[in-house]
Amino acid sequence: EDQVTQSPEALRLQEGESSSLNCSYTVSGLRGLFWYRQDPGKGPEFLFTLYSAGEEKEKERLKATLTKKESFLHITAPKPEDSATYLCAVLRTSGSRLTFGEGTQLTVNP
Amino acid sequence: NAGVTQTPKFRILKIGQSMTLQCAQDMNHNYMYWYRQDPGMGLKLIYYSVGAGITDKGEVPNGYNVSRSTTEDFPLRLELAAPSQTSVYFCASSYPDRALGTSVGTDTQYFGPGTRLTVL
Repeated sequence: EDQVTQSPEALRLQEGESSSLNCSYTVSGLRGLFWYRQDPGKGPEFLFTLYSAGEEKEKERLKATLTKKESFLHITAPKPEDSATYLCAVLRTSGSRLTFGEGTQLTVNP
Repeated sequence: NAGVTQTPKFRILKIGQSMTLQCAQDMNHNYMYWYRQDPGMGLKLIYYSVGAGITDKGEVPNGYNVSRSTTEDFPLRLELAAPSQTSVYFCASSYPDRALGTSVGTDTQYFGPGTRLTVL
């Protein structure tokens, strides 16, 4: 059974204080690892897809990296508008169903 | 494009009532999904469809039914609503390249805004 574990559950940062969110996964054949951002009362918004170990992708202050066992979402000099819940999900090679982690709730204080 | 749309946004049901949650997408995606999200939890897959006329169960299908008569629409039916079905429901769609055997398309799932359902 595929498993995705995100840590920490919640993270509080000061504006400009860089940090990382972790996503550990167990899957029999990874096709892709996905990061989503979810604001309160809204649906998840797609951020990145990573397909192979060593791959990195960036978008504004966010950078996602992937190893064979985990992915990191690095947030550089965050701003209050980066506050959201960040969800990680994996897709196995043989399937079409995403398995989601429980998310990390990020709060960035001004 | 409107993307993925869901109606209603909010609904309160009494125990034993039935209702249909509507989902539509205008991106010509062949795959569609229904998830539920309980407070502080990740998303759990209820049902999914790989194309019109084809549906399959996800992790938590009990108490729900789906149909897919067109590419655009994927309604979720709740029969005999129970308090345990209180949740936020999200519909999503994607266009996997594997479905066509080409390099066109993406595995990325795009989500609707959700329906918040309370069963009392």
